[in-house]
Amino acid sequence: EVQLVESGGSLVQPGGSLKLSCVASGFTFSNYWMDWVRQTPGKSLEWIGEINTDGSKTNYAPSIKDRFTISRDNAKSTLYLQMSNVKSDDTAIYYCTRYSGDYWGQGVMVTVSS
Amino acid sequence: DIVMTQGVLPNPVPSGESASITCRSSKSLVYKDGKTYLNWFLQRPGQSPQLLTYWMSTRASGVSDRFSGSGSGTYFTLKISRVRAEDAGVYYCQQVREYPWTFGGGTKLELK
Repeated sequence: EVQLVESGGSLVQPGGSLKLSCVASGFTFSNYWMDWVRQTPGKSLEWIGEINTDGSKTNYAPSIKDRFTISRDNAKSTLYLQMSNVKSDDTAIYYCTRYSGDYWGQGVMVTVSS
Repeated sequence: DIVMTQGVLPNPVPSGESASITCRSSKSLVYKDGKTYLNWFLQRPGQSPQLLTYWMSTRASGVSDRFSGSGSGTYFTLKISRVRAEDAGVYYCQQVREYPWTFGGGTKLELK
């Protein structure tokens, strides 16, 4: 069974940093591009970015570019999202997804507030 | 960025009836390979989104044939036949034709 389990969400102050993790199981992680998507409270979905199979290529949404970094560790079947200089607008549920969007994690809440 | 605009459903929809959800893109989603890069998702209350269709009309694994996607390069429809209680939730279209991928604002389906 394919599973994606995010962790690392918390309350963080504006300007602070946070690193989210997503542990994958039930499929060969290293064969798939992976994405991060977020959902702000009561609002729609926003694609954050993606990473290729070996971690050598990433693509990001303009809204978070230069503040967020996506990486992966295929040996640990884990996807990461490093968030820096966070703003109140970054408050959202963060999901990791397999590239095609066919599998999503349960999501993790990040709250940016002083 | 490609803007995705979704229509509103005349809620609630009687159980057993059909419902059509619309989505419009600001640019054609047809790629040079001939495929249309449009996904549909359903997010049930309290759950993560679930992929329903990709390439505009190809159903994802395990998705009921009551769901069917269609459209042109910029106008798309997700039809749900014989609506059931489990179909309630918010439906999102997403374009994956051009970076950054973008979603529509969502269309809520409520059942009577």
